Amino acid sequence: GQQVMQIPQYQHVQEGEDFTTYCNSSTTLSNIQWYKQRPGGHPVFLIQLVKSGEVKKQKRLTFQFGEAKKNSSLHITATQTTDVGTYFCTFMEYGNKLVFGAGTILRVKS
Amino acid sequence: GAVVSQHPSWVICKSGTSVKIECRSLDFQATTMFWYRQFPKQSLMLMATSNEGSKATYEQGVEKDKFLINHASLTLSTLTVTSAHPEDSSFYICSAGSANYGYTFGSGTRLTVV
Repeated sequence: GQQVMQIPQYQHVQEGEDFTTYCNSSTTLSNIQWYKQRPGGHPVFLIQLVKSGEVKKQKRLTFQFGEAKKNSSLHITATQTTDVGTYFCTFMEYGNKLVFGAGTILRVKS
Repeated sequence: GAVVSQHPSWVICKSGTSVKIECRSLDFQATTMFWYRQFPKQSLMLMATSNEGSKATYEQGVEKDKFLINHASLTLSTLTVTSAHPEDSSFYICSAGSANYGYTFGSGTRLTVV
């Protein structure tokens, strides 16, 4: 079935540094949703991207959807310790099933 | 916002016994809920789609007789792990919500089979 590749698998940054995770698909996606899962917690919805080339911002987080709707990125400016967690890109399959990418684990060193 | 309550948050059971996990939508009706399983340091894997009033649809490789799903009302779906074995130990999470506005996840159930 359809899959998305997410990189990097893991990133450890110094507090204040920027962080980016990338999501790539071999096929065109109708939309992408991003979720964050804190250690020991459950995924929490961050945002949905639908339009080609769309860019959305949430405070220090910037989300982009590629022009071809095959890739997406999440960029965090000036990371904080509260940003720690795993960031997942997801896409919708037939039947509104949400399929998760492998996730990027972010660790922030203070 | 939408709230999904999942219970229990953790459970330890003996091998061969069955465990029931409940997932409730507290402030909205959910004709569809989804059940995921997550192993340590891995992503969430969709197990099945729970459909209110009808049979659940299972993903490839998921044994429907082992993971029984019941969605008897618009606010409750249950997952029963039957004849649990140590390899079934995992983090089970349910979700519900809107494809357009994002899904809400339950807090998860950590199952340990000893």
